[in-house]
Amino acid sequence: KQEVTQIPAALSVPEGENLVLNCSFTDSAIYNLQWFRQDPGKGLTSLLLIQSSQREQTSGRLNASLDKSSGRSTLYIAASQPGDSATYLCAVSDNTNAGKSTFGDGTTLTVKP
Amino acid sequence: DGGITQSPKYLFRKEGQNVTLSCEQNLNHDAMYWYRQDPGQGLRLIYYSQIVNDFQKGDIAEGYSVSREKKESFPLTVTSAQKNPTAFYLCASTLEAGGTQYFGPGTRLLVL
Repeated sequence: KQEVTQIPAALSVPEGENLVLNCSFTDSAIYNLQWFRQDPGKGLTSLLLIQSSQREQTSGRLNASLDKSSGRSTLYIAASQPGDSATYLCAVSDNTNAGKSTFGDGTTLTVKP
Repeated sequence: DGGITQSPKYLFRKEGQNVTLSCEQNLNHDAMYWYRQDPGQGLRLIYYSQIVNDFQKGDIAEGYSVSREKKESFPLTVTSAQKNPTAFYLCASTLEAGGTQYFGPGTRLLVL
């Protein structure tokens, strides 16, 4: 059974700092990996999706990497801003059933002005 | 404006009562999903549907039921068999299985 872990559970940084969020998964047979942002009491917003054949994806100040063989992904946020404060979740979809995703518990990021 | 709507925003359930959560999308997506989120935790898959009139159980389907009679609608019923229903329920859709997931704003279910 796939298990997804995100460490740390919470992170606090000063504004302007570059930071890395981590996601690890136990079964490397994935279809893709997706990073999401969730604001308190809200739904999830997709940030980046990496197919299993890709190594990284970039969108603005965000860069996500995928190392399938080691079961790891990182989300790099450059020049953090207070508006980046949210919970970030990663999810992997199953290689044999792409409709089935397993989520991590998320990392709650606080960017202090 | 394309997107996913969920209603109601808050729902209260009495002991022994069945309640239905609504999820509608106008993105013309084939696949739809229901997740449950407990405080401080990630999402767990309840049910998903990849096509009209077909759906599959996720990891925690017991005590829940769904239907998919129309492409744009995927209602979730929380039955009285679900003994711990208090949670935040999220609906999502994808153009096809494994695509980018788009989420609705969620429904918070509370037990009276």
